[in-house]
Amino acid sequence: EDQVTQSPEALRLQEGESSSLNCSYTVSGLRGLFWYRQDPGKGPEFLFTLYSAGEEKEKERLKATLTKKESFLHITAPKPEDSATYLCAVRPLAGGSYIPTFGRGTSLIVHP
Amino acid sequence: NAGVTQTPKFQVLKTGQSMTLQCAQDMNHEYMSWYRQDPGMGLRLIHYSVGAGITDQGEVPNGYNVSRSTTEDFPLRLLSAAPSQTSVYFCASSYAAGASLEAFFGQGTRLTVV
Repeated sequence: EDQVTQSPEALRLQEGESSSLNCSYTVSGLRGLFWYRQDPGKGPEFLFTLYSAGEEKEKERLKATLTKKESFLHITAPKPEDSATYLCAVRPLAGGSYIPTFGRGTSLIVHP
Repeated sequence: NAGVTQTPKFQVLKTGQSMTLQCAQDMNHEYMSWYRQDPGMGLRLIHYSVGAGITDQGEVPNGYNVSRSTTEDFPLRLLSAAPSQTSVYFCASSYAAGASLEAFFGQGTRLTVV
């Protein structure tokens, strides 16, 4: 059974205090790992896709990295507007499945 | 450009009632899907469609029906609502099935079944 575990569940940072969110996964062959941002009362917003170990993607203050067992979302010098819940998901290779497994998310609060 | 539009935003149903959650996208996307989001759990795929006229079951399809008669619309039907279906429902679309998770999500429908 595919599993995705995100840690920590919640993270409070001061503005400018860099940190990382973790997404550990077990999957029977990885088609892709996906990161999303979700604001309260809104739908998720797609951020990144990572396909293979060693791959990195960047967008503004966010950088996502991937190893064979986990992915990190690095947040450099965060601002209050980066406060949101960050979701991670994996899509397995097996049988052309379209059924993903999502983690429970990390709730990030950045204080000014 | 509206993106993915879901209606209604909020709904309260009595056990046993039926209803349809509407989802429309204006991006000419092939792939559409429905998820539910429950506290303490990750998003779970209910049903999906890789194109007009084609639908398939996701991880948690029981109690829900879908159809895809046009590219734009992908309604989700609850035939006989149960309290276990209390959840926030999200519709999503992407340009192709191969990019199913590089999706645009709607704002969600918060459904309470009493």
